[in-house]
Amino acid sequence: KQEVTQIPAALSVPEGENLVLNCSFTDSAIYNLQWFRQDPGKGLTSLLLIQSSQREQTSGRLNASLDKSSGRSTLYIAASQPGDSATYLCAVSDTNAGKSTFGDGTTLTVKP
Amino acid sequence: DGGITQSPKYLFRKEGQNVTLSCEQNLNHDAMYWYRQDPGQGLRLIYYSQIVNDFQKGDIAEGYSVSREKKESFPLTVTSAQKNPTAFYLCASSMRGAGTSGSYEQYFGPGTRLTVT
Repeated sequence: KQEVTQIPAALSVPEGENLVLNCSFTDSAIYNLQWFRQDPGKGLTSLLLIQSSQREQTSGRLNASLDKSSGRSTLYIAASQPGDSATYLCAVSDTNAGKSTFGDGTTLTVKP
Repeated sequence: DGGITQSPKYLFRKEGQNVTLSCEQNLNHDAMYWYRQDPGQGLRLIYYSQIVNDFQKGDIAEGYSVSREKKESFPLTVTSAQKNPTAFYLCASSMRGAGTSGSYEQYFGPGTRLTVT
């Protein structure tokens, strides 16, 4: 059974700092990996999707990498801003109907 | 605007009552999913459907039921058999379903917070 772990559970940084969020998974037979952002009491917003054949994806200040063989993904946020404060979740989809397994998330606080 | 709508945003029920949560999408996506989120935790899959009139159990289906009579709608019923129904419920959809091409990228609705007392 796939297990997804996100470390750290919480992170607090000063504005402007570059930071890395980590996601690890136990079964490398994945179809894709998706990073989401969740604001308190809200639904999930998709940030980046990496197909299993890809190594990384970039969107603005965000860069996500995938190392399928080692079961790891990282989300790099450049020049963090207070508006980046949220919970970040990663999810891996298997090859069967895109069923996703989620990590518990990393709650990020960016202080002005 | 294309997207996923869930209603209501907040729902209160007495213990022992069944309750149905609505999920509608106008993205023309084939697959739809229901997840449950408890405080401080990630999402757990309840049910998913890849095509109309078909659905499969996820990891925590006990005490829940679904139907998929229309492509755009995937309602979830929380029955009295669900022992701990109080949670935040999220519906999602993805383009790709059974026998179709496209992405499994998932798009989420705003969620329904259910409180059972």
